[in-house]
Amino acid sequence: ETGVTQSPTHLIKTRGQQVTLRCSSQSGHNTVSWYQQALGQGPQFIFQYYREEENGRGNFPPRFSGLQFPNYSSELNVNALELDDSALYLCASSWGTGGNSPHHFGNGTRLTVT
Amino acid sequence: TQLLEQSPQFLSIQEGENLTVYCNSSSVFSSLQWYRQEPGEGPVLLVTVVTGGEVKKLKRLTFQFGDARKDSSLHITAAQPGDTGLYLCAGVGNDYKLSFGAGTTVTVRA
Repeated sequence: ETGVTQSPTHLIKTRGQQVTLRCSSQSGHNTVSWYQQALGQGPQFIFQYYREEENGRGNFPPRFSGLQFPNYSSELNVNALELDDSALYLCASSWGTGGNSPHHFGNGTRLTVT
Repeated sequence: TQLLEQSPQFLSIQEGENLTVYCNSSSVFSSLQWYRQEPGEGPVLLVTVVTGGEVKKLKRLTFQFGDARKDSSLHITAAQPGDTGLYLCAGVGNDYKLSFGAGTTVTVRA
């Protein structure tokens, strides 16, 4: 069974640039959720993708967008990067969209915006 | 702003001691999950509690869900250095999405 993998592991970008983060879901899982974890905080829900459609969104601006592909892998895109976007970005896959479905997290992408 | 408040924020104890971490909210959750996160890794699910008043045990870890399904606690008996990590609680709300607390950093000294 292949777990959730995220790439890249670390990334440094400049304010105003755009970034794409990638996530491969665990085999058998059809739902991907993205979270932002700032230093010293718990993960904050960004959005969830199910059947290639956005299925719920947290309190994040439209410059945060995503995609899900037919193989259930997913991308998180952030435009016009701001310094406050520096965080650990976590992807979690699950079977089904409910919060009660066990979420399996990847090890995250550490994004630094300078 | 975290919907769930965790306390304490930091906890440092000696190996063999007991500890309790609390997770409180003014909101009712359909279920609550506990995760442990180690540096450089994603959170790993420990347990899900669903019923008010429910108690679940996982070896030396005991999880309790409050009767009103607004709060939960995690108790570790005879802590070991391997228990060191960030403990996160997450509630499942009406939108079926997870809301995390800010976490409790536990350090167990050998």
